[in-house]
Amino acid sequence: EDQVTQSPEALRLQEGESSSLNCSYTVSGLRGLFWYRQDPGKGPEFLFTLYSAGEEKEKERLKATLTKKESFLHITAPKPEDSATYLCAVQAGGGNKLTFGTGTQLKVEL
Amino acid sequence: DTGVSQDPRHKITKRGQNVTFRCDPISEHNRLYWYRQTLGQGPEFLTYFQNEAQLEKSRLLSDRFSAERPKGSFSTLEIQRTEQGDSAMYLCASSLAGRGTYEQYFGPGTRLTVT
Repeated sequence: EDQVTQSPEALRLQEGESSSLNCSYTVSGLRGLFWYRQDPGKGPEFLFTLYSAGEEKEKERLKATLTKKESFLHITAPKPEDSATYLCAVQAGGGNKLTFGTGTQLKVEL
Repeated sequence: DTGVSQDPRHKITKRGQNVTFRCDPISEHNRLYWYRQTLGQGPEFLTYFQNEAQLEKSRLLSDRFSAERPKGSFSTLEIQRTEQGDSAMYLCASSLAGRGTYEQYFGPGTRLTVT
């Protein structure tokens, strides 16, 4: 069974204080690893897809990287508007469903 | 706005009642997914369709849950004889279909509260 573990569960940063969120996974035949952002009371918003180890993708202050066992979401010089829950999910084997972790709740303070 | 839409956004019902939710996917997307999310957890897969065919259902999906996508466009999710444990956010997502791996785009969700 596919497993996704995210850490830390919660993270509080000062504005401008860079950090990383971790997503470790155990799957059989990874087809894609996905990062989403979710604001309270809303549906997840797609950020990135990573397909193979060594791949990196960037968007504004966010950069996602992938190894054979884990993915990192690096946040550079965060702003208060980056506060949200960040979800990691995998798609593996022959199926099309996503298996999600429990998320990291990020709060960026002034 | 051409994103995924869901209706209603909120539903409060009494235990034992039936409820039905609707999802309209992004128009060019062939695949449609239903997930359930409870507080502090990530979304949990329920079922998905490719066009009008239901191709996979979670083993955790109770017989009280049924989903349809009759014309390969919108989908409905019905819960019969609701229980308090059904209280959750029900999320719909859609994606392209094919041999590749495609990102899923989520709607705003339907928040169900069973009293």
